[in-house]
Amino acid sequence: GENVEQHPSTLSVQEGDSAVIKCTYSDSASNYFPWYKQELGKRPQLIIDIRSNVGEKKDQRIAVTLNKTAKHFSLHITETQPEDSAVYFCAASKNYGGATNKLIFGTGTLLAVQP
Amino acid sequence: NAGVTQTPKFRILKIGQSMTLQCTQDMNHNYMYWYRQDPGMGLKLIYYSVGAGITDKGEVPNGYNVSRSTTEDFPLRLELAAPSQTSVYFCASSPPGGITEAFFGQGTRLTVV
Repeated sequence: GENVEQHPSTLSVQEGDSAVIKCTYSDSASNYFPWYKQELGKRPQLIIDIRSNVGEKKDQRIAVTLNKTAKHFSLHITETQPEDSAVYFCAASKNYGGATNKLIFGTGTLLAVQP
Repeated sequence: NAGVTQTPKFRILKIGQSMTLQCTQDMNHNYMYWYRQDPGMGLKLIYYSVGAGITDKGEVPNGYNVSRSTTEDFPLRLELAAPSQTSVYFCASSPPGGITEAFFGQGTRLTVV
């Protein structure tokens, strides 16, 4: 089955700096790669996602890149702010015909933005 | 819409006791999932369902059972609670038709003592 690895497990940056989180996946048939943000004591919430037919997607200060050949994808946060502090999870899934949309998650990255 | 609703929010169980974690969604989503999140760890898939009457095992199904008699409800059953099942449990759902966002409930914090 699918296996998703995520690095680093913790990341501390100064406010205004950029943060990059990287994930690799094992199943070359995976075609959907979302990123979730989980604030302390809260539920995970989707912040951005990318499908396998594109290489990059941006939404204001966040962007995701996908390298299908290498089977890895990354989250980039620019101009970080204290409210970006949270745990970030990457995930992978595949959905073709009868396949399910089950998401397999990475182990998470605790991002701390220092003011 | 209330989204995905889980009950209870907190529960303490004694070893060997049983309980059912309730999950209901009002978005008419086909797909539903149960995840567990151990402290400092990621989300592990326990069971999932692609529609009423259909369930399948995820990454860590041992010690749990599920049923899906309706589109809205996807309860998770713990038969003989063990300390290793101390965790935060999240239910999630996603719409049919393809690859898309999963919506999570607020979680159930379970402690087995």
